[in-house]
Amino acid sequence: AQSVSQHNHHVILSEAASLELGCNYSYGGTVNLFWYVQYPGQHLQLLLKYFSGDPLVKGIKGFEAEFIKSKFSFNLRKPSVQWSDTAEYFCAVKGTNAGKSTFGDGTTLTVKP
Amino acid sequence: DTGVSQDPRHKITKRGQNVTFRCDPISEHNRLYWYRQTLGQGPEFLTYFQNEAQLEKSRLLSDRFSAERPKGSFSTLEIQRTEQGDSAMYLCASSSDGTYYGYTFGSGTRLTVV
Repeated sequence: AQSVSQHNHHVILSEAASLELGCNYSYGGTVNLFWYVQYPGQHLQLLLKYFSGDPLVKGIKGFEAEFIKSKFSFNLRKPSVQWSDTAEYFCAVKGTNAGKSTFGDGTTLTVKP
Repeated sequence: DTGVSQDPRHKITKRGQNVTFRCDPISEHNRLYWYRQTLGQGPEFLTYFQNEAQLEKSRLLSDRFSAERPKGSFSTLEIQRTEQGDSAMYLCASSSDGTYYGYTFGSGTRLTVV
């Protein structure tokens, strides 16, 4: 069975600090990987995705993530966070031939101005 | 395109009652998904459709839950004989075919069973 583990439940940073949110997955096959974000009062939206090729993927708002196959990881990074990045972040995995995605339990990011 | 729409936004029901939720996906999207989310947890898969065909249903889903997608357009999720444990946010998402695409989510329906 596929699963996703997000190690940090709540991260608090000051503006301009660097961000790295951990995501490890378990799946017996090739995968597609996603990060979704939920800003306060808004619905979940796609931040970035990996499906093949370059393991370093770039998303919206300066976020990037690196797929490390040997570590089953897909960590999210941003060099300098802003107050507006305060949100909940969810990592998700999908088998390349599967229909559904499996989500982690999320990391709440609070950025202090 | 106004995105994925869900109705109602909130539903309060008494234990034992039946409830039905509706989801209107993005019109070009073949796939439609239902997830459930409780506080502190990530979205939990319930079921998904490709066009009108229900291709997968979670083993965790009891027989009280049923979903339909007639004509491959909107979808409904019905919960019969609701229990307090059914209280959650019910999320609908849609996507195009293929592994390249992520989901577009709706705003969800929050169910409270009293």
